[in-house]
Amino acid sequence: GQNIDQPTEMTATEGAIVQINCTYQTSGFNGLFWYQQHAGEAPTFLSYNVLDGLEEKGRFSSFLSRSKGYSYLLLKELQMKDSASYLCAVRDYLDNTDKLIFGTGTRLQVFP
Amino acid sequence: SQTIHQWPATLVQPVGSPLSLECTVEGTSNPNLYWYRQAAGRGLQLLFYSVGIGQISSEVPQNLSASRPQDRQFILSSKKLLLSDSGFYLCAWFSRQLTGNTIYFGEGSWLTVV
Repeated sequence: GQNIDQPTEMTATEGAIVQINCTYQTSGFNGLFWYQQHAGEAPTFLSYNVLDGLEEKGRFSSFLSRSKGYSYLLLKELQMKDSASYLCAVRDYLDNTDKLIFGTGTRLQVFP
Repeated sequence: SQTIHQWPATLVQPVGSPLSLECTVEGTSNPNLYWYRQAAGRGLQLLFYSVGIGQISSEVPQNLSASRPQDRQFILSSKKLLLSDSGFYLCAWFSRQLTGNTIYFGEGSWLTVV
C-alpha cells in the first residue's frame, strides 16, 4: 500500500522561511508533486521531483531523497498570500498505471 | 491545448437521492483520469482512477461508482447518497507525455448532502 505523512498545520511570519516536510512509503515510486490549494479552490501545481536533489523555482524550492522516502517544500520570503494548504502527492507506478496519491495536506498560516 | 472541465459546480442533494458528476477532457486522447474527494479541512482522497474506456479501479469501498463511457469522459455516480458523501469532488487528468508531469484538476464540485 501507500502511506504519505505531512504535518497538519504550520504557522510562520511574513518575510520568513518555512519548510514543509513529507515522508512517503510506496511500492512503485516514480515521482513526487507539491501542490498549493487555497480554500474552496482546486489545487495548483508547484513542483515535481523524480530525481534526488533540490529544484528551485523562484521563492519555492522542493527537495527529494528517494532513499529516505522524504521530501520538503521550502518557501522563502513568505507573503500573506502564501497562506494556504500544501499537498504532497506521490506518483505510484504499478502495472502500467499511474496511481496518484495525496497526503492530508499541511495548512500554512502566515502572520504579519 | 488540453483542458479539463467538471460539473455541476455546486449541488445540494437530500439523503438517499442519486448523484451524477461529470468530467470531460479536451485536446487529448487516452488520458489517465481520476476522481478525488476532499472533506472539509482534509487532504485529497483518491476514489477512482481510469486508464481507458470501461477500465475503472476503485480505491475505497463505498456507495459511489465511476464509469468511463467515452475516452475523454469520466462520471462519478451514486444511487443513494449518504450524509458522509458531502465534500469537494475533484476530477483530475495526468499524462507524463502530454502534461509534462503535471496533474491538472477540474474546477471542483461542492456536494452538500442534507
